[in-house]
Amino acid sequence: GAVVSQHPSRVICKSGTSVKIECRSLDFQATTMFWYRQFPKQSLMLMATSNEGSKATYEQGVEKDKFLINHASLTLSTLTVTSAHPEDSSFYICSARVREVGGSPLHFGNGTRLTVT
Amino acid sequence: GQNIDQPTEMTATEGAIVQINCTYQTSGFNGLFWYQQHAGEAPTFLSYNVLDGLEEKGRFSSFLSRSKGYSYLLLKELQMKDSASYLCAVADSNYQLIWGAGTKLIIKP
Repeated sequence: GAVVSQHPSRVICKSGTSVKIECRSLDFQATTMFWYRQFPKQSLMLMATSNEGSKATYEQGVEKDKFLINHASLTLSTLTVTSAHPEDSSFYICSARVREVGGSPLHFGNGTRLTVT
Repeated sequence: GQNIDQPTEMTATEGAIVQINCTYQTSGFNGLFWYQQHAGEAPTFLSYNVLDGLEEKGRFSSFLSRSKGYSYLLLKELQMKDSASYLCAVADSNYQLIWGAGTKLIIKP
């Protein structure tokens, strides 16, 4: 089945630094990937939709200059949290659209726990 | 507007059966998902329904009625490890997921 690999699983960084999170589709081509954020005891919140070869579409309230998304190939999308602050500490999860007959059309990575100190 | 409703919390006994309901109103429909999420972990895919009816997968079953905007997740022979949050999500016309707030399921011995 389709596998989405997300790396790193955990990262601790200092305030003001940048962190890059990778999301890879291992055995399929993902023309569309989604990035979510989840704060403790809250539901997942869509941050942006990433389409290969074009600019990401950000949800209202998400700063595109702070959360840089690059989807340069059909198997890789990256989310860079720039100038991270403690309030950016959260669980970040990607998912990829799978174009196959039958089964789930969306697959999730295992998430990245970001802690900004 | 778009919204997904599911109960906030449910309690059940080990070995029993529990049904978690989900109602939805969305613009466009490309299927309904159920995910299981343990604290601090990413959601784990349980089921995907795009046609009306019941899908059975081991101890878990999921039902969909598109005309009623309704789904349920049925868990049988409950085990302690089933204690988790269960998330209902609907894919809209662009395959963006609209999430329910999740149902925290507590299993008691």
